[in-house]
Amino acid sequence: TQLLEQSPQFLSIQEGENLTVYCNSSSVFSSLQWYRQEPGEGPVLLVTVVTGGEVKKLKRLTFQFGDARKDSSLHITAAQPGDTGLYLCAGANTNAGKSTFGDGTTLTVKP
Amino acid sequence: NAGVTQTPKFQVLKTGQSMTLQCAQDMNHEYMSWYRQDPGMGLRLIHYSVGAGITDQGEVPNGYNVSRSTTEDFPLRLLSAAPSQTSVYFCASRFVTGANVLTFGAGSRLTVL
Repeated sequence: TQLLEQSPQFLSIQEGENLTVYCNSSSVFSSLQWYRQEPGEGPVLLVTVVTGGEVKKLKRLTFQFGDARKDSSLHITAAQPGDTGLYLCAGANTNAGKSTFGDGTTLTVKP
Repeated sequence: NAGVTQTPKFQVLKTGQSMTLQCAQDMNHEYMSWYRQDPGMGLRLIHYSVGAGITDQGEVPNGYNVSRSTTEDFPLRLLSAAPSQTSVYFCASRFVTGANVLTFGAGSRLTVL
């Protein structure tokens, strides 16, 4: 079983601060996804990365895939209360493979 | 376009009862899967299917059965519910080819007393 470790598990910050969430594994993935989940709802895709070293930006969110395709990071600049939620990373080793999820990072942004 | 639809949204069972969680998708996705989500444990894969007539086990399959008679539907059956199966269940689907981007349903919260 491929394992994905996310850190930190919990993060509570003030509005306007920056933060980084990490997703690490000893396994290589063909692609890695980041999802955001709000209470009472299912996870919703934020981004998918497929190339080692790839960087993608989504407004104030920056996602990076490690050169070896074993790890990824999510950086949020100037966090806002609307960023509050559970952030999940997921990876699979082939296009038809099962997705393995990390345990998630619960982010709270205080006004 | 409804996406992935799960029913029921909430269910309370007594130990030993059986029930079926329904999942339907209208996106012609070949791949469908069931996850359970427990506090602090992320999403764990129960069963998955890559097409009609094909199912396989995930990380935590014990106590659950699935079938895939059509592309659209992927029900999850609990034959004899146990308190350890209290959880939130998510159905997710995607195309088999391309990136592993899952579309999730809204979840079904199950409590077993």
